[in-house]
Amino acid sequence: QQQVKQSPQSLIVQKGGISIINCAYENTAFDYFPWYQQFPGKGPALLIAIRPDVSEKKEGRFTISFNKSAKQFSLHIMDSQPGDSATYFCAAREGYGGATNKLIFGTGTLLAVQP
Amino acid sequence: DTGVSQDPRHKITKRGQNVTFRCDPISEHNRLYWYRQTLGQGPEFLTYFQNEAQLEKSRLLSDRFSAERPKGSFSTLEIQRTEQGDSAMYLCASSFTGTGNMREYFGPGTRLTVT
Repeated sequence: QQQVKQSPQSLIVQKGGISIINCAYENTAFDYFPWYQQFPGKGPALLIAIRPDVSEKKEGRFTISFNKSAKQFSLHIMDSQPGDSATYFCAAREGYGGATNKLIFGTGTLLAVQP
Repeated sequence: DTGVSQDPRHKITKRGQNVTFRCDPISEHNRLYWYRQTLGQGPEFLTYFQNEAQLEKSRLLSDRFSAERPKGSFSTLEIQRTEQGDSAMYLCASSFTGTGNMREYFGPGTRLTVT
């Protein structure tokens, strides 16, 4: 059962444009939502993360928007650069501070930023 | 480089052979996770350790898989009688529960190819 649905599967954006990736979840026990960036041959690296008590978090060019009632969250990459070309994964974690705290990942979005 | 190292980075083996992977987490991290990532998919949770205790195993982890973390430091993941379906990237991640942040740091992964 896929608990985190991610779209689109791939995305092509012009340099300087805005990249938007969306995720939806089902489990209301999730209370931590990170985004990971992965380059070929590398492990995922944490970009930015949000807790459900806020609706938006911004770090540099990266912003997470969170809609708790819709159970959706999205990543916005402003002023996209060719170096941002990578695979992006959303994830969710249940029960912050307790139990397993394992991450449930989306299926990934392959982003290509054209110069 | 996140500080989590994995060895080997690549492994090619014939079906039916046993393989063992090693993960060295960040030294003060008490939690260690194993994930599996197949092509075009997000990582999937396999198992995790709190110090030396293995506290949860996914249903994905068949009885051919075994993981250990002696003395709560490095961890090994062994796959016995490998099958072609075991071909994947095996990722290790570690975190520290003491700060309350519990950010996971992923290693570069071990790519397994079963021929």
